[in-house]
Amino acid sequence: DTAVSQTPKYLVTQMGNDKSIKCEQNLGHDTMYWYKQDSKKFLKIMFSYNNKELIINETVPNRFSPKSPDKAHLNLHINSLELGDSAVYFCASSPRTLLGDEAFFGQGTRLTVV
Amino acid sequence: GNSVTQMEGPVTLSEEAFLTINCTYTATGYPSLFWYVQYPGEGLQLLLKATKADDKGSNKGFEATYRKETTSFHLEKGSVQVSDSAVYFCALSATGANSKLTFGKGITLSVRP
Repeated sequence: DTAVSQTPKYLVTQMGNDKSIKCEQNLGHDTMYWYKQDSKKFLKIMFSYNNKELIINETVPNRFSPKSPDKAHLNLHINSLELGDSAVYFCASSPRTLLGDEAFFGQGTRLTVV
Repeated sequence: GNSVTQMEGPVTLSEEAFLTINCTYTATGYPSLFWYVQYPGEGLQLLLKATKADDKGSNKGFEATYRKETTSFHLEKGSVQVSDSAVYFCALSATGANSKLTFGKGITLSVRP
């Protein structure tokens, strides 16, 4: 069983489109995250949810909107996609708010905007 | 704010060579420290961690010691293998509410047979 699963794994789309990435974890964790990895492998947190409540919202354009229907799911919706949105997006989860606990990552979604 | 600094890469080694990847951090309070590894085409996996000063994390032959006096968490392995080729990330999580993982830039390790 996959602990943190993301779909799709690859996403190629045109500028201006709206797309969603889904994430599910079956670990029973309370906290979920979205990270963005750029072409130089740099990882930056975008959002964090704890028990469906948004607790971290870094400086991310309003075109990005996370949604957590329950604590096992955290989806990412992106409006009006731009070329600069091309990156690998990782979902992760952890038992608590990372007080020494590890985060478990999904396989990533490689988004290419053309 | 919190930050993690890793040595510049990439690093290329021959099999069985000794590996050191430097990592230093800046944080308020007493952070937990992690090394994550990303194999090609995969997500990140926890390699090892340390939650307080002088703790040593170890896994798969890799080790790192939490040094508060030098704010460092250097990763070492005595004899690398081709299968260790990956991207390595040092990270910290600050104690307190709303903590998050802050990553270093990552370093690509390539091991030649």
